Amino acid sequence: NAGVTQTPKFQVLKTGQSMTLQCAQDMNHEYMSWYRQDPGMGLRLIHYSVGAGITDQGEVPNGYNVSRSTTEDFPLRLLSAAPSQTSVYFCASRGTGAKNIQYFGAGTRLSVL
Amino acid sequence: AQRVTQPEKLLSVFKGAPVELKCNYSYSGSPELFWYVQYSRQRLQLLLRHISRESIKGFTADLNKGETSFHLKKPFAQEEDSAMYYCALSGPSQEAGTALIFGKGTTLSVSS
Repeated sequence: NAGVTQTPKFQVLKTGQSMTLQCAQDMNHEYMSWYRQDPGMGLRLIHYSVGAGITDQGEVPNGYNVSRSTTEDFPLRLLSAAPSQTSVYFCASRGTGAKNIQYFGAGTRLSVL
Repeated sequence: AQRVTQPEKLLSVFKGAPVELKCNYSYSGSPELFWYVQYSRQRLQLLLRHISRESIKGFTADLNKGETSFHLKKPFAQEEDSAMYYCALSGPSQEAGTALIFGKGTTLSVSS
């Protein structure tokens, strides 16, 4: 049972480069989200989706794009990377009702030089 | 506004001492409260959920709606409890569209 799978685990970018962080879940969860984790700031919500074709902004959406073409996948795109985007990124998914438990991916450690 | 406050960045205790990690929240309605734990270089994982009323790894947490608190407690800390602990809040579980909001986390350090 894979759960939530994120790739890559590590990435180094130069300022201005673009990249996509991949996230996939196999639990048929409607709700998926992306967080960034920074020292002293906790986990901050970037974008989330309540189902295929539906996305919305979280607390810190600037500089990031998302799309949700399928229930399983929720990629995060950095259009033009900036040093301020150096962080650890976590993807998560969760169900509803009794399954309202959020499962996290292993994280992507991103450095922007 | 929805908010989760964890007032302590770091809590250092000795092995065998009691532990209390504080969490206060602000939410208009009936939230669900959670504690997540992140061991060194690992992914976050659920520790407790207030509606389950379970004790996991000796930890308990009681939702106090009057004080809007959900403090995490353990009577006797172990070295393997050293980790980052996050308190989190979501809307009622039947609502699919509510985000899970996290506090800034508290690092628990247990030494012998």
